[in-house]
Amino acid sequence: EDQVTQSPEALRLQEGESSSLNCSYTVSGLRGLFWYRQDPGKGPEFLFTLYSAGEEKEKERLKATLTKKESFLHITAPKPEDSATYLCAVQAAGQNFVFGPGTRLSVLP
Amino acid sequence: GAVVSQHPSWVICKSGTSVKIECRSLDFQATTMFWYRQFPKQSLMLMATSNEGSKATYEQGVEKDKFLINHASLTLSTLTVTSAHPEDSSFYICSARGRGRYGYTFGSGTRLTVV
Repeated sequence: EDQVTQSPEALRLQEGESSSLNCSYTVSGLRGLFWYRQDPGKGPEFLFTLYSAGEEKEKERLKATLTKKESFLHITAPKPEDSATYLCAVQAAGQNFVFGPGTRLSVLP
Repeated sequence: GAVVSQHPSWVICKSGTSVKIECRSLDFQATTMFWYRQFPKQSLMLMATSNEGSKATYEQGVEKDKFLINHASLTLSTLTVTSAHPEDSSFYICSARGRGRYGYTFGSGTRLTVV
């Protein structure tokens, strides 16, 4: 059975304090791993798609990496506006998304 | 590109009434639409998948007669919560996937409160 876990469940950072969020997955035939940002009361906003181990993608202060078992979302010098829940999801061939439980990030000024 | 519009953003209804939520893909044809439910501080739980012109496929434990899904066109899917009860109060989110696309685009969500 496809599974996705995320850690930590919640993370508090001071503004400028870099850190990483983890997404571990077990899936047969990974087709893609997706990172989304979700603000309270809103739908998820697409951040990245990673397709194969070793792949990296960057967007502003965020950088996503992928291995055969996990993905990391690195946040460099975060700002308060980066506060949100970060969701990862995996898609196996012929299957729908399986979402992780998310990491709630709070960046304090 | 790839915008999905979901309406209404919030709705309050009386117990026993029905509520319809709309999900529209604005700039692409959505061959597949997905409906999710999300409880506070929890992740998204897939309720059903619908392909244009076909009956929706419901996840285990989701009542087909209670959550009616219609995907009559390539740009519109609707979720109707019938005979709503307070336990149906939740955040409902749709997402859409276009032909040949891997990614999913999400709507902004609908907060349903049944009183």
